[in-house]
Amino acid sequence: EPEVTQTPSHQVTQMGQEVILRCVPISNHLYFYWYRQILGQKVEFLVSFYNNEISEKSEIFDDQFSVERPDGSNFTLKIRSTKLEDSAMYFCASNDRRNTEAFFGQGTRLTVV
Amino acid sequence: GNSVTQMEGPVTLSEEAFLTINCTYTATGYPSLFWYVQYPGEGLQLLLKATKADDKGSNKGFEATYRKETTSFHLEKGSVQVSDSAVYFCALSDAMEGGSEKLVFGKGMKLTVNP
Repeated sequence: EPEVTQTPSHQVTQMGQEVILRCVPISNHLYFYWYRQILGQKVEFLVSFYNNEISEKSEIFDDQFSVERPDGSNFTLKIRSTKLEDSAMYFCASNDRRNTEAFFGQGTRLTVV
Repeated sequence: GNSVTQMEGPVTLSEEAFLTINCTYTATGYPSLFWYVQYPGEGLQLLLKATKADDKGSNKGFEATYRKETTSFHLEKGSVQVSDSAVYFCALSDAMEGGSEKLVFGKGMKLTVNP
């Protein structure tokens, strides 16, 4: 069964460092998303991406964040200068068209120290 | 804006017990409602959904009914199994109404079922 894969499963980084979280969405999907969950809090939407551009972003998704689909298969989330409060589980998701089920990856746990 | 409030856990039940996880929502229109489940070490998976009032979603013995009058979408299962141990998330989307594709989630509730 096709699935969304995320790497790494856990990343530890020092405050101020850049980090790139990687996702491989399901191959025929067109809509891509990043969500995050800070420990003990809600899963929060960060950004959606369609047709090689951001279609929607939340207020969390500030200038420190960027997304890219560099090669037609990977979908990455970059945090330029990590802060302690960026520590969270980050989920990637994709779906093939509007109003259909979004498939999620297993998440990357980011720990900023 | 749209929001979801769900029962917080963690909750521990014995096998074959009845499960209810409460979920209520706030939305301006008529959102689609979802329950996602996350088994240990895995991603979020869609468990069931309902797209309009009075719809009942069901899967794997779980059920939830879209109640517009109470703005609720409570998840129920008559007899839980050890394999149901997971974190359960209630969520909504207003994509059907031409709104945002994004999902708005509740905090999630961890369920542990003991044999």
